[in-house]
Amino acid sequence: GAVVSQHPSWVICKSGTSVKIECRSLDFQATTMFWYRQFPKQSLMLMATSNEGSKATYEQGVEKDKFLINHASLTLSTLTVTSAHPEDSSFYICSAAIRRGSMNTEAFFGQGTRLTVV
Amino acid sequence: AQTVTQSQPEMSVQEAETVTLSCTYDTSENNYYLFWYKQPPSRQMILVIRQEAYKQQNATENRFSVNFQKAAKSFSLKISDSQLGDTAMYFCAFYGGSQGNLIFGKGTKLSVKP
Repeated sequence: GAVVSQHPSWVICKSGTSVKIECRSLDFQATTMFWYRQFPKQSLMLMATSNEGSKATYEQGVEKDKFLINHASLTLSTLTVTSAHPEDSSFYICSAAIRRGSMNTEAFFGQGTRLTVV
Repeated sequence: AQTVTQSQPEMSVQEAETVTLSCTYDTSENNYYLFWYKQPPSRQMILVIRQEAYKQQNATENRFSVNFQKAAKSFSLKISDSQLGDTAMYFCAFYGGSQGNLIFGKGTKLSVKP
């Protein structure tokens, strides 16, 4: 299957600083990438949809000024957590969609990033 | 709205036995895709099996198979000859029509006991 690389796999940062997480599709082009947040023992919660060359679409309740998403190329999307606070500590996962015709037909996931804000 | 329901928060099975995880979904779409993902303690999401709604034949991947009942909107996963490495969270997920993102169920925590 296709490979999606997410970096870093874990990061610790001080409260008030910003952290950037990268998501790369290594062997295919992804016009659409998705960013999820996962709380312990829960399912994945969609934060935003990242479209190459256009603004991200954020889910209700997700602060777009705090979680900046950039999808500058067909193989790279980044999520920047700005002015991080301890409540932003979580596991963040990206996925890249395979599209055939008008539909997404498969999704491949990055390894995830465990963010700890101290 | 499209929803995915996994009604079994936790299940356990003895090694080498068979276990079935349940999943139901709700959609008005006719063409869609269904998935089972495994998330082991490493938290990497691993695709277990994929089913295209227009295919009547149930998908199989080695020890993993599905029972896809389109009319009932049911998509259960059967794991045969369970192995200790199958211990993980299992998520049922749905891609449909114009919906661009995967819709996930809440997950089932499967424990395989020696």
